[in-house]
Amino acid sequence: QQPVQSPQAVILREGEDAVINCSSSKALYSVHWYRQKHGEAPVFLMILLKGGEQKGHEKISASFNEKKQQSSLYLTASQLSYSGTYFCGTSNSGNTPLVFGKGTRLSVIA
Amino acid sequence: NAGVTQTPKFQVLKTGQSMTLQCAQDMNHNSMYWYRQDPGMGLRLIYYSASEGTTDKGEVPNGYNVSRLNKREFSLRLESAAPSQTSVYFCASSGLAGYNEQFFGPGTRLTVL
Repeated sequence: QQPVQSPQAVILREGEDAVINCSSSKALYSVHWYRQKHGEAPVFLMILLKGGEQKGHEKISASFNEKKQQSSLYLTASQLSYSGTYFCGTSNSGNTPLVFGKGTRLSVIA
Repeated sequence: NAGVTQTPKFQVLKTGQSMTLQCAQDMNHNSMYWYRQDPGMGLRLIYYSASEGTTDKGEVPNGYNVSRLNKREFSLRLESAAPSQTSVYFCASSGLAGYNEQFFGPGTRLTVL
């Protein structure tokens, strides 16, 4: 079942902060975050695993609430380069393929 | 290392024509995937292959077939293209599906007239 992302879109000025949320109705093993710029392929940002392990870029922070099946991606002091569409993908086991949300479009303006 | 490569980058088909999208990875990954991306729909899994010799249906498999030719290559075939298959197609690869990051190819933009 497709995870639900919120908000659908957000506009920020440089330097502002944003939070993107991802929630699932099923128990999760992992949450993955990707960013896609217009006309390009998605690029990996972070994985959050059940039990607390995290893998990804040092400058990206995220949380994973296993009990609520929710994850949040925190973008602080936003830069123009942060613009793009952010997708979360969820999996209920180490061997199960991801199901992606519909995405959150982030626009950072000067 | 090239990562994940896809061919072609663009394709226009007429309804009823067939074609094969090619994908190859050089990262020694076991798992490979085909997604389609439509505006506002996110990435939807068409088929995946957890290892060489195995393939499984994803969310939207109707109208497609796949072949895991070897560990490196995973192809997607449209036997009789329909306008509803107009989309951007991404191939990806990874280690374990839920544990490791996915690496995406550059995509194929397909239009079916």
